[in-house]
Amino acid sequence: QKEVEQNSGPLSVPEGAIASLNCTYSDRVSQSFFWYRQYSGKSPELIMSIYSNGDKEDGRFTAQLNKASQYVSLLIRDSQPSDSATYLCAVKRDFNKFYFGSGTKLNVKP
Amino acid sequence: KAGVTQTPRYLIKTRGQQVTLSCSPISGHRSVSWYQQTPGQGLQFLFEYFSETQRNKGNFPGRFSGRQFSNSRSEMNVSTLELGDSALYLCASSNGLGPLNEQFFGPGTRLTVL
Repeated sequence: QKEVEQNSGPLSVPEGAIASLNCTYSDRVSQSFFWYRQYSGKSPELIMSIYSNGDKEDGRFTAQLNKASQYVSLLIRDSQPSDSATYLCAVKRDFNKFYFGSGTKLNVKP
Repeated sequence: KAGVTQTPRYLIKTRGQQVTLSCSPISGHRSVSWYQQTPGQGLQFLFEYFSETQRNKGNFPGRFSGRQFSNSRSEMNVSTLELGDSALYLCASSNGLGPLNEQFFGPGTRLTVL
């Protein structure tokens, strides 16, 4: 079983819609959870971090964490073509060790 | 505040050679992690250095090594290069302490092994 699982996609949504990206993790001791956006040929860019159960909002982005279900999600409201990228979910455990999912490719169609 | 810098940005080497990549973390960050990213394997963790000590290590052969200097800059070395080592090598910087610290990536070094 992989540490972090994501659907590889592609997930296609029309411009202006809500994109929902999901991630599950295997180890209950995971402490912190992160979403990165990676454009083709570029390095990952941190867009959201979440540590407590519930929702965390930042602009058009909302991260949701459910530790009991070992599930993290990222909602992107009013999706734009510029949001088209691969979204990587990461979890952190002790001593700063990060585990990354394989990423979900998002296509936002104009 | 300057971001994470990596040099060189691109490298072309031949099989059997060795290569050294460099990473300068964000000012004040003491942790540097290295990752290999390939289309087939995704983002794979190589190792992490914190205050000049290797604190975490991934499942890579001993040909992959690293070190960290007192100013937190880090280098990664790959010896006896193989074709399969062609990848984007990413360095990530964080303060390295506690559950609430975030990791930021540099632009990466794209290594091509011929």
